Amino acid sequence: DQQVKQNSPSLSVQEGRISILNCDYTNSMFDYFLWYKKYPAEGPTFLISISSIKDKNEDGRFTVFLNKSAKHLSLHIVPSQPGDSAVYFCAASAGSAGGTSYGKLTFGQGTILTVHP
Amino acid sequence: ETGVTQTPRHLVMGMTNKKSLKCEQHLGHNAMYWYKQSAKKPLELMFVYSLEERVENNSVPSRFSPECPNSSHLFLHLHTLQPEDSALYLCASSPGQGAPDTQYFGPGTRLTVL
Repeated sequence: DQQVKQNSPSLSVQEGRISILNCDYTNSMFDYFLWYKKYPAEGPTFLISISSIKDKNEDGRFTVFLNKSAKHLSLHIVPSQPGDSAVYFCAASAGSAGGTSYGKLTFGQGTILTVHP
Repeated sequence: ETGVTQTPRHLVMGMTNKKSLKCEQHLGHNAMYWYKQSAKKPLELMFVYSLEERVENNSVPSRFSPECPNSSHLFLHLHTLQPEDSALYLCASSPGQGAPDTQYFGPGTRLTVL
């Protein structure tokens, strides 16, 4: 049972345009969501996160939107740059409900983003 | 994030070998994690240590043995592995001081079992 799903294995975007990466989840106990970016032969790099008390969080070119009723989140990258080409993972945590001091993350399968010059 | 280091970066071993993966975090975090990433699969959590105590073991075979001697170091001892254990092994750490808790990853060790 995959609780976090990224249904698009890949996305191709022109430089300067918007990239929209999507993620769906099924566990209503999830209350903290993160996006990670991964280049080949490197570990995932934390990009941006959002708590369930918010519906939007912005950091520079990156904005994450959360729709709790639809159990859906998305990552917008504007404008997209060739250096953004990587695998993007969304992850979710039931932090508050988990009753632990550490964050147990559930990851999606990842979406390969390619930004063409 | 360069606060989590892993060695070696690449490892090739036979099924009868014994080897260890090392992870070190320089972030002052309380929690450390081992993940396995196989091709075309989501990251799989293997073990969690919180304040040097193992708090999660996600049904990992006993041929993988973790060790956390202090809050900055984490090891994964490997013995009699199988070819299907070939994967990228990632270490992560997090503040571990309650929700929300963000994990930061090391570069990984690419393991090949012959």
